[in-house]
Amino acid sequence: EAGVTQFPSHSVIEKGQTVTLRCDPISGHDNLYWYRRVMGKEIKFLLHFVKESKQDESGMPNNRFLAERTGGTYSTLKVQPAELEDSGVYFCASRSTGEPFYEQYFGPGTRLTVT
Amino acid sequence: AQTVTQSQPEMSVQEAETVTLSCTYDTSESDYYLFWYKQPPSRQMILVIRQEAYKQQNATENRFSVNFQKAAKSFSLKISDSQLGDAAMYFCAYRSALVTNFGNEKLTFGTGTRLTIIP
Repeated sequence: EAGVTQFPSHSVIEKGQTVTLRCDPISGHDNLYWYRRVMGKEIKFLLHFVKESKQDESGMPNNRFLAERTGGTYSTLKVQPAELEDSGVYFCASRSTGEPFYEQYFGPGTRLTVT
Repeated sequence: AQTVTQSQPEMSVQEAETVTLSCTYDTSESDYYLFWYKQPPSRQMILVIRQEAYKQQNATENRFSVNFQKAAKSFSLKISDSQLGDAAMYFCAYRSALVTNFGNEKLTFGTGTRLTIIP
């Protein structure tokens, strides 16, 4: 079974540009989560999808971030326009509703560098 | 709001020895879950061990065990017989046991401890 995949693995963009990160959850997982780790700091929750609906978006930092999950499969996280403080590693995780609710499976992350 | 603190940015241990990673947390809730996640270099973060707050018995998974002190809000991870494959970033995390219709499944993480294994 394929794990959670994220694309790209690394992205370098200039301040003011737009970047879109993609997450493909484990097949059949209806819960999808986005987290972010700014260098040297803790990993912070961004939002939680159940299928295509946003269940909890309390961690989204501002309106420059837009997360979508059309069709309830893969998800994208767009940052527009990117700022220097957006640099960090963006993690995606997924979980099946039928599995123990504490088990979130993580992807390898996308490292975003804004220069 | 809950917070998780890992006060050891880096730790090292000789292969085959035992190491303990520290984690403290702050919460006003009585029911919650605590986790240790491991992230090897350039690889996925995986769950190492979890502890339910209502359980007094410390969780154990093979060479990994925890020392859960609920009153002290402390949750340390002990790795016995350290192996080269244990080298990774270790994150302590908290999750509320209260799940509402609006979610609350988020994990709250600490800043991580980088563990190096010395051959």
